Formats: sequence, C-alpha cells, structure tokens
Amino acid sequence: RKEVEQDPGPFNVPEGATVAFNCTYSNSASQSFFWYRQDCRKEPKLLMSVYSSGNEDGRFTAQLNRASQYISLLIRDSKLSDSATYLCVVNSGSTNAGKSTFGDGTTLTVKP
Amino acid sequence: DAGVTQSPTHLIKTRGQQVTLRCSPKSGHDTVSWYQQALGQGPQFIFQYYEEEERQRGNFPDRFSGHQFPNYSSELNVNALLLGDSALYLCASRKLTGAINYGYTFGSGTRLTVV
Repeated sequence: RKEVEQDPGPFNVPEGATVAFNCTYSNSASQSFFWYRQDCRKEPKLLMSVYSSGNEDGRFTAQLNRASQYISLLIRDSKLSDSATYLCVVNSGSTNAGKSTFGDGTTLTVKP
Repeated sequence: DAGVTQSPTHLIKTRGQQVTLRCSPKSGHDTVSWYQQALGQGPQFIFQYYEEEERQRGNFPDRFSGHQFPNYSSELNVNALLLGDSALYLCASRKLTGAINYGYTFGSGTRLTVV
C-alpha cells in the first residue's frame, strides 16, 4: 500500500462546478499536510497548507481528518484555469523536519 | 528574488554513464530535497540535505548520491545509469529552521533521458 493515496481521476467538470478531491495517508505520525498543483510538464507549486481546523483560500477549502487519516480539497466555482493535477503531500516526522511524501495526483479538467 | 534554479534543463545520457545535476535553493532556504518524477506519477523522494549532510533518504539505491555545499546549493549524482532512470528530477527547497513548515518551493526540474 502506498503511503499517500489519491484517486487519479480524471475529473472532468464544467465551469462553475464544485469538485472535491480526497487523499488518504498511512503514517499516523504525520505532522504537516499540503496540496500542490502541477501543470503539464511544469514543476509542482504549493497551493495551500492544510490545518486541523480546516482552512480556506478564496475558492479553495482544505480539510484534515486525523482520526480517519485523510485530507480533502474542495474547489468551488471551477475555472478553466483550474485544470491541472492536484498533488496531496504529507510530511512525516516532526513538524519541521522529516520527509515530504507525494501522492500520484488527481487530474482535473474544467470544460467550458 | 530568484526561486529554485536547476541545471541543466535537459540531458541525454547513455546507459552506464554517470550524471550530475545541480540546484540552487531559493534565497533564505537552508534545506534541499531531491525528487524523481516519472510520467504519470507523483514525485518520489530521493533524499534531503541539511547542514551539508544527508538527513533523510527514500527507497533509492546507492547509485544515487548527493552533496550540499556551504552556500546551501546541492548536487545529485547518479552512477551506472539505467534506462529506468529516465525521469524529471526536481529539486525543492525550504527553510528548515524555525517552528513552521511552510512547504517546499520547487525548481523547474532537469529532464534526464537515458538511451
């Protein structure tokens, strides 16, 4: 079993739709969590950190459920520019050190 | 403010050869991690360097080695190249000291092709 698992998709949604991605992790000692966005043939870019209390950044909302060991990303009012691969990242070890493990990503295509 | 810079951007090598990839972290960052990304997969962790030492290592053979210099820049070396080493190699940096993990900043990668 992979340390971090994501539904690969693809998710094909119309503009304006709401879409949610989930990610599960196996290491219960994981301390910090992130969502990254990766465009085709580009490097991953940090989208947002994920906090236990949940956090929101504009149309994006991230949630963490430590008991069930999953994190989620909700995108509201999808735009064409949201089309990308979304990578879930889990940092094991102490809050500051440790290694960051990536999922294989969920591909989103937003269509007109 | 320069982000993470990697060189070269593209590289073609023959099986059995050796390769060195280079990375300069973002200004103010003190730790560098290297990742290998094959097509259709997420980045796979190779190792992390901090204070010129390898601190964490993923499931990669000893053919993969690295170095961090006093100015925080880093190199990734791969010996005895295999066809399966063909991938995008990503360097990522962040500031390790301090209480909060703000996540990594990635370079644009080196695309290695082994023929």
